[in-house]
Amino acid sequence: DIVLTQSPGTLSLSPGERATLSCRASQNIDSNYLAWYQHRPGQAPRLLIHGTSTRASDIPDRFSGGGSGTDFTLSISTVEPEDFALYYCQHFGNSPLFTFGQGTKLEIK
Amino acid sequence: VQLVESGGGLVRPGGSLTLSCEASGFTFSSTYYDMVWVRQAPGKGLQWVASISGRRSFIYYSDSVKGRFTVSRDNAKNSVYLQMNSLRVEDTAMYYCAREGSGWSGYFDYWGQGSLVTVSS
Repeated sequence: DIVLTQSPGTLSLSPGERATLSCRASQNIDSNYLAWYQHRPGQAPRLLIHGTSTRASDIPDRFSGGGSGTDFTLSISTVEPEDFALYYCQHFGNSPLFTFGQGTKLEIK
Repeated sequence: VQLVESGGGLVRPGGSLTLSCEASGFTFSSTYYDMVWVRQAPGKGLQWVASISGRRSFIYYSDSVKGRFTVSRDNAKNSVYLQMNSLRVEDTAMYYCAREGSGWSGYFDYWGQGSLVTVSS
């Protein structure tokens, strides 16, 4: 089974700073099937990035994704107040069919 | 696109509950749109639970619910369901319905607000 490990567990930043979130897979994965989501408390999760680097509809260009093999990143070039939330990476594979990382909390410093 | 879950509540261990998710804003019966259930236990991350393809040809479950949960859909009612039997305390979670992007995209492009299931004696 593929395991996705996200780091750091919590990232403390001030608005205007750059955020870099990491997602490491336990084995090589197909980059076409790596996605990122934002989850604010009390709201539905929101798709940010799919296929490692393709922004979903209406996602601001301050969000970007990259990586390959086992190491993937989500970057926020300039953190806005509304960006403080939980972030999850997710993979589509075989067993299990869909796997999520444990999440990174982006909090206000 | 809108997904609205319902049916959550408090249930005793060993009990049953059925969640519903009504979809609108897209052609629900299309072969391109698989539907999934994802849950989040208190203080935990997201966990995929079950998937069903557009024509109900393919159904998959996570190991943690296999044999206890059943996913189904009624394309005439634009709805997907999750029947949960033999519920355990560890099934307590917010359950989200989500749409998989078209054509086995491998990601979930629209999500509902969730329905809370609490399993407790």
